[in-house]
Amino acid sequence: GENVEQHPSTLSVQEGDSAVIKCTYSDSASNYFPWYKQELGKRPQLIIDIRSNVGEKKDQRIAVTLNKTAKHFSLHITETQPEDSAVYFCAASKREQRGSNTGNQFYFGTGTSLTVIP
Amino acid sequence: KAGVTQTPRYLIKTRGQQVTLSCSPISGHRSVSWYQQTPGQGLQFLFEYFSETQRNKGNFPGRFSGRQFSNSRSEMNVSTLELGDSALYLCASSLGQVVGEQYFGPGTRLTVT
Repeated sequence: GENVEQHPSTLSVQEGDSAVIKCTYSDSASNYFPWYKQELGKRPQLIIDIRSNVGEKKDQRIAVTLNKTAKHFSLHITETQPEDSAVYFCAASKREQRGSNTGNQFYFGTGTSLTVIP
Repeated sequence: KAGVTQTPRYLIKTRGQQVTLSCSPISGHRSVSWYQQTPGQGLQFLFEYFSETQRNKGNFPGRFSGRQFSNSRSEMNVSTLELGDSALYLCASSLGQVVGEQYFGPGTRLTVT
């Protein structure tokens, strides 16, 4: 199966600085990589995603990069703000066959608790 | 479009009891996946349903089961509850035909005493 490792587990940055969270995966068949933000007591929210045929994707202050050869992908948040404080999860996913069925399988990292200090 | 909804939001049960959780996906989404979230283990995949068929199953004991109805709503059942089953149970919906965007519900917080 797939193994997703996420680092660091905790990260503190000053407001306005950049934050980088890294994930590695083991299965080269994984082809979709979403990032989720989960604020305390709330549901995980999809913030950005990337497919394996793309190396980089950007959405305002958030960007994700993917290195298929090295099997790692990273989340970059620039100009951090206090409201960016949350737990961030990466995931690697693919179509996976179990018996006679083929389904969508997501494997999640263990999360990074980001604190932005005002 | 309305988001993913889950009921109930909170549950307190006693060891040995059983529980049923419900998830209503985003309209038009046919895939529903269930996850268990605990502080120590993160998000653990339970199973995925698509068009009333279980397509995928994680490494959980048979006490955990689920089903999906023709309107794509899904239920998850846990029988013979154990203290270690205390967790936040999240469901997520997606279109399902290919791997893609998955949207989470607010979760059901289950406490087993």
